[in-house]
Amino acid sequence: KQEVTQIPAALSVPEGENLVLNCSFTDSAIYNLQWFRQDPGKGLTSLLLIQSSQREQTSGRLNASLDKSSGRSTLYIAASQPGDSATYLCAVNGDYKLSFGAGTTVTVRA
Amino acid sequence: KAGVTQTPRYLIKTRGQQVTLSCSPISGHRSVSWYQQTPGQGLQFLFEYFSETQRNKGNFPGRFSGRQFSNSRSEMNVSTLELGDSALYLCASSSSLGAFFGQGTRLTVV
Repeated sequence: KQEVTQIPAALSVPEGENLVLNCSFTDSAIYNLQWFRQDPGKGLTSLLLIQSSQREQTSGRLNASLDKSSGRSTLYIAASQPGDSATYLCAVNGDYKLSFGAGTTVTVRA
Repeated sequence: KAGVTQTPRYLIKTRGQQVTLSCSPISGHRSVSWYQQTPGQGLQFLFEYFSETQRNKGNFPGRFSGRQFSNSRSEMNVSTLELGDSALYLCASSSSLGAFFGQGTRLTVV
């Protein structure tokens, strides 16, 4: 059974600081890994998708890495802004389903 | 392209009743999956459909069922509602570009 862990559970930083969010998973037989953002009471917004054969993916201020052999992914958000405040979820795709971590709740202080 | 559409957005039901939730995927996507999100359990996988076939099912009681139609639209049904079924139900449609979620249906059982 795939277990996904996200550390830390919560993070509070001043505006402008870089954010580092960690995700680990137990089964390396994955199809891809996806990072999502969720605002309170809303659905999930896709941020980045990394295929199992890729090591890294970038979009604007966001960069995600994947080390499948060690079961780890890291999401970097550069120069954080108050609008980045949200819960960030890591999801591992395998066996026709997504397995989610519990998320990291980020607060960026103005 | 229109995103994933879930209806209704909000529902209030009484214990013992049944409910049907609907999901219209992104045009061209043939995979639709359903997730339950609660504060205590996080995001849990319910089931996944591809071209009207269920390919995987999560660990939920038989009261939870789903189906997919030939136009890829999907419905999920919960019978004999319990208080613990109160949750945000999220639908995702998927392609090789990843999973994309709707805004969810907030179900409250009273």
